[in-house]
Amino acid sequence: LAKTTQPISMDSYEGQEVNITCSHNNIATNDYITWYQQFPSQGPRFIIQGYKTKVTNEVASLFIPADRKSSTLSLPRVSLSDTAVYYCLVGEGTYKYIFGTGTRLKVLA
Amino acid sequence: DVKVTQSSRYLVKRTGEKVFLECVQDMDHENMFWYRQDPGLGLRLIYFSYDVKMKEKGDIPEGYSVSREKKERFSLILESASTNQTSMYLCASSHDRFVDEQFFGPGTRLTVL
Repeated sequence: LAKTTQPISMDSYEGQEVNITCSHNNIATNDYITWYQQFPSQGPRFIIQGYKTKVTNEVASLFIPADRKSSTLSLPRVSLSDTAVYYCLVGEGTYKYIFGTGTRLKVLA
Repeated sequence: DVKVTQSSRYLVKRTGEKVFLECVQDMDHENMFWYRQDPGLGLRLIYFSYDVKMKEKGDIPEGYSVSREKKERFSLILESASTNQTSMYLCASSHDRFVDEQFFGPGTRLTVL
């Protein structure tokens, strides 16, 4: 069973751009890629969603290559409050959605 | 704002007990989900429901059942709790498409002794 994989952890400094990649080689043709952020003792919170190419909103960008077998969440100019765990969520078929293993981002002052 | 509430933040039960975890959403969402979250394993889908009285198995349904008698309420049932069901349980809801943004509750940390 193919997994949706992410780096376990990343460190960054305040003000830097952070890129977190998710590998999902089993993504279904018509399904989306969604990213969530989770703080301790809270449920995950939606960040961004995309199908192909590039999507940008007020907090992040999402880059998806043509083969859609990976995606990269980009957080511009991170701050200490961006310290959290980030998950990708990928559709692999009808009613089959798989969360990635999660990336623990630590932002340092 | 969408609000998803779970009946307990912390719960301690004994092996063999029947356990009910309740989840309520207030935004008239069609879809509701139950996940468990364990260190190193991320979130894994147990069951979801796309309509009242409708349910589908997720990745790890064994040892669990669910009930959705009303649109706003989705219950997770552990028929006979076991120690390997000690975990964080998260409920979520989404609008009508399965791919729509999921709104999560705060979670219930269940300990089975």
